[in-house]
This record gives sequence, C-alpha cells and structure tokens, in this order.
Amino acid sequence: ETGVTQTPRHLVMGMTNKKSLKCEQHLGHNAMYWYKQSAKKPLELMFVYSLEERVENNSVPSRFSPECPNSSHLFLHLHTLQPEDSALYLCASSPGTSGSADTQYFGPGTRLTVL
Amino acid sequence: GQNIDQPTEMTATEGAIVQINCTYQTSGFNGLFWYQQHAGEAPTFLSYNVLDGLEEKGRFSSFLSRSKGYSYLLLKELQMKDSASYLCAVSGGYNKLIFGAGTRLAVHP
Repeated sequence: ETGVTQTPRHLVMGMTNKKSLKCEQHLGHNAMYWYKQSAKKPLELMFVYSLEERVENNSVPSRFSPECPNSSHLFLHLHTLQPEDSALYLCASSPGTSGSADTQYFGPGTRLTVL
Repeated sequence: GQNIDQPTEMTATEGAIVQINCTYQTSGFNGLFWYQQHAGEAPTFLSYNVLDGLEEKGRFSSFLSRSKGYSYLLLKELQMKDSASYLCAVSGGYNKLIFGAGTRLAVHP
C-alpha cells in the first residue's frame, strides 16, 4: 500500500534542532491530517487541512508547525521539541466529501525520538 | 465529554472467534470505524457502521447499536496474522475522528 507515504520513517533529534516531517498522498484526496500516537494512548488529532486550508488545530503547542502547500503534500515542522514529544507521528488523508464521515487512510508514520 | 473505551489486551487461539467491544460517549456521531494496526505499521481501514446492525466483510464483521453507544468487531477463523491492535474510532463530525486507545490482540497456535 503506497497511497500515503511519509518520510523519514525514523528521526532522532536534540531539543534544539529543527526538522521537518513530510507526507505525500497519491489518492487524489482533498483532506489531510496529522496525528500523534504515544504508547498505550489513543491517537491524538493534531491538525486537519481541507483543500489546503487548516480547519482544525487541537491546541497543539507552537513548537509544531504544519504546512500544506497543495492537496497532495503535508509537512510538520518541528523546533525546540521536548522529550515527551517522542512518539509515532501519523499522516492520513481522506476524500474530503462533505456531509458524511470520511474514511481516512494512514501513512506508515515517522517514529520520532527527542533526546 | 468524549470517551471511547475498549479492552487493552485480548488473547485467542488460532481458528477461534473473538469479539472486541467498544463503548463510546461523544458529543456528535456520524459513524464508527474499526482499524487494524500491526506493530510499526499504518492503521488500515476495516469497517464503517453508521446504521444499527451488523456489517459482514469476509472473516470480519462489525456491529453497531447507536442507542447503547456500543459496537463490536467480530473476527472469525482467527489466523496468526490477525495478531495486531484494533482501533475503534467515532466520527464526531466532518473530518473529525476520535480514537480509542486500541485493543492488542494476540493469537496463539
């Protein structure tokens, strides 16, 4: 399944580093999402983009900065992270049709470790 | 508040049937999803229920009762490859999924 790809798959960074996570979807979808998955906790929705506009920001700290240059690409820019930010970061996309629940399709995730 | 509960872990025997329950309390409801996630991999879509009743798809079936805030995922003829986490998620509105913490299923020979 290569509908949603994410790079890098693994990332180790120090608290003062700046890095970016990349997500690309090849499904022709209009909506894209960032989730955080920590051990034994539910997936936490971070950001939602619909037609390249941010429509949801779930009280995420400003050290996480999303960017959606077009409907196929989504970035998550990281700076001055904390060790508790270590987690699996998942990207997803969905058709983005209004008025119905959208099935979301996930990428394989980026395993982030903050030292 | 928003709350989705599912058991943390379950074990079952190869060839058997297992039922994974999910109860939810959400401020909105636009359907319920089940996803499967193998360790280190992406969650993959299994099923979607928006009306009460049973949806069957091969070895997997999903049931929904909206009045009870309850769903279950039924896995038949279990195989070793079914060992994974199963995530229950409620659509609380357009583009918004609320996930449970997942149920880790271990299938033994």
